[in-house]
Amino acid sequence: AQSVSQHNHHVILSEAASLELGCNYSYGGTVNLFWYVQYPGQHLQLLLKYFSGDPLVKGIKGFEAEFIKSKFSFNLRKPSVQWSDTAEYFCAASAAGNKLTFGGGTRVLVKP
Amino acid sequence: DSGVTQTPKHLITATGQRVTLRCSPRSGDLSVYWYQQSLDQGLQFLIQYYNGEERAKGNILERFSAQQFPDLHSELNLSSLELGDSALYFCASSVTSGTETQYFGPGTRLLVL
Repeated sequence: AQSVSQHNHHVILSEAASLELGCNYSYGGTVNLFWYVQYPGQHLQLLLKYFSGDPLVKGIKGFEAEFIKSKFSFNLRKPSVQWSDTAEYFCAASAAGNKLTFGGGTRVLVKP
Repeated sequence: DSGVTQTPKHLITATGQRVTLRCSPRSGDLSVYWYQQSLDQGLQFLIQYYNGEERAKGNILERFSAQQFPDLHSELNLSSLELGDSALYFCASSVTSGTETQYFGPGTRLLVL
């Protein structure tokens, strides 16, 4: 069965710290990978996506993610976080048919 | 703003009742997806419609149904509501039913009392 898992449920860090959120997927065949962010009280917004090509993907707001096929991973990174990055982050995957399978989410709290 | 709209924003109802959630996709998008976000189950795919036809089904209860109309808006009908149906219901849309990005609406927060 297709699944996506996120390693951390909660992350607390200070402004200017570096952030890395882990994501592993279990999919047969070609997979498309996404990171979405949900700011408090808001809807899901796409941060970045990987379909093919360069495994290092750059997204909005200074985020990037690296697809490592051999590890079935798609970890999200940001070198220096800001208070405004406080949000819940979701890794998601899709194959044929386009339905998204989401990980459990990681709540990130950035202390000012 | 993703361009996907959902109404209502909030809905409070009682157990046993029936509600209808509405979604309008981005202009030009043919596919609509419904997801449920709850504390215990996380974000789960419910159902997908493409150009008026059901394309994929996920963890959707038999008490729930959906449809997509000729103008491409979609409705999710939830009936015989139970306390456990309280959740945030998101709609998303994409251009076709291939492997593209889905854009999410603001959601409808349903509270069943």
